Amino acid sequence: GAVVSQHPSRVICKSGTSVKIECRSLDFQATTMFWYRQFPKQSLMLMATSNEGSKATYEQGVEKDKFLINHASLTLSTLTVTSAHPEDSSFYICSARGDRGLGYTFGSGTRLTVV
Amino acid sequence: QKEVEQDPGPLSVPEGAIVSLNCTYSNSAFQYFMWYRQYSRKGPELLMYTYSSGNKEDGRFTAQVDKSSKYISLFIRDSQPSDSATYLCAMDAGNNRKLIWGLGTSLAVNP
Repeated sequence: GAVVSQHPSRVICKSGTSVKIECRSLDFQATTMFWYRQFPKQSLMLMATSNEGSKATYEQGVEKDKFLINHASLTLSTLTVTSAHPEDSSFYICSARGDRGLGYTFGSGTRLTVV
Repeated sequence: QKEVEQDPGPLSVPEGAIVSLNCTYSNSAFQYFMWYRQYSRKGPELLMYTYSSGNKEDGRFTAQVDKSSKYISLFIRDSQPSDSATYLCAMDAGNNRKLIWGLGTSLAVNP
């Protein structure tokens, strides 16, 4: 089945620094990538949607200059949290949809802690 | 009113019990209905995927969609401790392919 590899699984960074999270589709071409944020005991909150080669579409209230998304190829999308602050600490998950069928495949998530 | 309503639980059942998980929704444009299972600190994994109304069975799992009532269900038969997780319903919002998520129901199956 389709697999999305997400790295790192866990990262701790200092306040003010930037962190990059990668998602790779291993056996299919991810035409669309979704980036989510999830707080403890809460559901997934969609942050942005990106199509390969296009600028990402951000959800209302999500700062595009803070959460930089790059989807330069059909197998790789990155989310960079710039100038991270403790309130950015959360669980970030990517989800990819390929050009076959309608399924969504999720990465395993990245636990970001900003200290 | 939220587009998708799901009771967060927690739901606690003994091993072997039949589990019923439900979501209601308000947008009649939803066509695709999904159930995901999420273990702690992991990404969601797709369990069941249903288009329009009807039932779909896969092993111990059965998904039901009743579009007339805007109600979907996931049944788990012979529940196992390994089924302990959070179950999220999700629905396709239409042409923009943005999933709309329920809050998730936390399930604990006790041995």
